[in-house]
Amino acid sequence: NAGVMQNPRHLVRRRGQEARLRCSPMKGHSHVYWYRQLPEEGLKFMVYLQKENIIDESGMPKERFSAEFPKEGPSILRIQQVVRGDSAAYFCASSGTSGETQYFGPGTRLLVL
Amino acid sequence: GIQVEQSPPDLILQEGANSTLRCNFSDSVNNLQWFHQNPWGQLINLFYIPSGTKQNGRLSATTVATERYSLLYISSSQTTDSGVYFCAVERNFGNEKLTFGTGTRLTIIP
Repeated sequence: NAGVMQNPRHLVRRRGQEARLRCSPMKGHSHVYWYRQLPEEGLKFMVYLQKENIIDESGMPKERFSAEFPKEGPSILRIQQVVRGDSAAYFCASSGTSGETQYFGPGTRLLVL
Repeated sequence: GIQVEQSPPDLILQEGANSTLRCNFSDSVNNLQWFHQNPWGQLINLFYIPSGTKQNGRLSATTVATERYSLLYISSSQTTDSGVYFCAVERNFGNEKLTFGTGTRLTIIP
């Protein structure tokens, strides 16, 4: 059973470009979460999605950031017009049902030049 | 929101030593997980332990939910145990987001 998959593992963007981060949950999981880890800090919750629905986006910046989890395909975290402060590791996690263990992917390291 | 504090922030030990890491949280929780982030940045699930005690090899964990703390024990440390250990809690069913502590950075010296 494959774990949570994220790609790309590393992404370099120049200021003003767009970044698209992908997450495929574990097989059978329908709950997806995105977290951000700034250098030398812990992970911070961004958004929680189920198929075709955003359940909680309270941790996501109001501007430039969006997330989706379509009926088919991976979950996408999209950052428009990136700035240097967006440089971080972005982790995706998935779970089967509410309250269960969240399993984390390997993360995408975004570097904005 | 819920506060999660971990101690100590840094720990340097000789290979073979034992260690205890602590996680305090400020409110009732329905989920508590311990993670190891290795030097390559990967997050590894160690325990799902909202209450009680679990053991997995050289690692064990205990959560006392009524007193709002959890402990992670590492025995006979190895250099591969180095990294940052995070505790994360979920406050309410239906809320589901994990709130992470600031971590304990463990360095095992050969």
